[in-house]
Amino acid sequence: QSVLTQPPSVSGAPGQRVTISCTGSSSNIGAGYDVNWYQQLPGTAPKLLIYGNSNRPSGVPDRFSGSKSGTSASLAITGLQADDEADYYCQSYDSSLSLVMFGGGTKLTVL
Amino acid sequence: EVQLVESGGGLVQPGRSLRLSCTASGFIFGDYALTWVRQAPGKGLEWVGLIKSRPFGGTRESAASVEGRFTISRDDSKGIAYLQMNSLKTEDTAVYYCSRTVVVGATYYFDYWGQGTLVTVSS
Repeated sequence: QSVLTQPPSVSGAPGQRVTISCTGSSSNIGAGYDVNWYQQLPGTAPKLLIYGNSNRPSGVPDRFSGSKSGTSASLAITGLQADDEADYYCQSYDSSLSLVMFGGGTKLTVL
Repeated sequence: EVQLVESGGGLVQPGRSLRLSCTASGFIFGDYALTWVRQAPGKGLEWVGLIKSRPFGGTRESAASVEGRFTISRDDSKGIAYLQMNSLKTEDTAVYYCSRTVVVGATYYFDYWGQGTLVTVSS
């Protein structure tokens, strides 16, 4: 069971907007540590999607956005496309465990 | 172009050892930390550990699940990071990824990943 909690699955129709939550605690997200997001397409390595809570690496479409508030963070995807179907992971640091943590992952299904 | 290529995976018996390599190219290897992340079949990502760059002391951090059994090292002259895995258990079966790591204060993010190498621990 991960310290960072994500919904196991979310779904949406093409063109719609979906959000994926990442809930932590006062020793990780709530302590001010950045949240980063990764996309893992089926059968491939993870790819950095959002870093520093809301920054997109070069090449990541602006349909993807990140935010953070209190002890939670969110990834929003607008204009959903079929090839957005993937697993999404949040990642942060936990000061009580002194460890890098990943969320359990969320499977996005495009209907 | 930044590239990371893992190698050294395979089938190994419980209790034995294995060393994985991560060969980097396309960037100044010595300027970055390197992290190992694993993914058991059908499961999520699990952070294994990291080694910082020399300017940051070259220090290592590792997950409790592998502490005392796994050791990360690096050879900056060759651009290679290693994951030495001893006393392997069946639960160590996973795809192991290495990733280039950006250190931001006390936190990290992983901006480039290798394709992964599969380690299967079974008798």
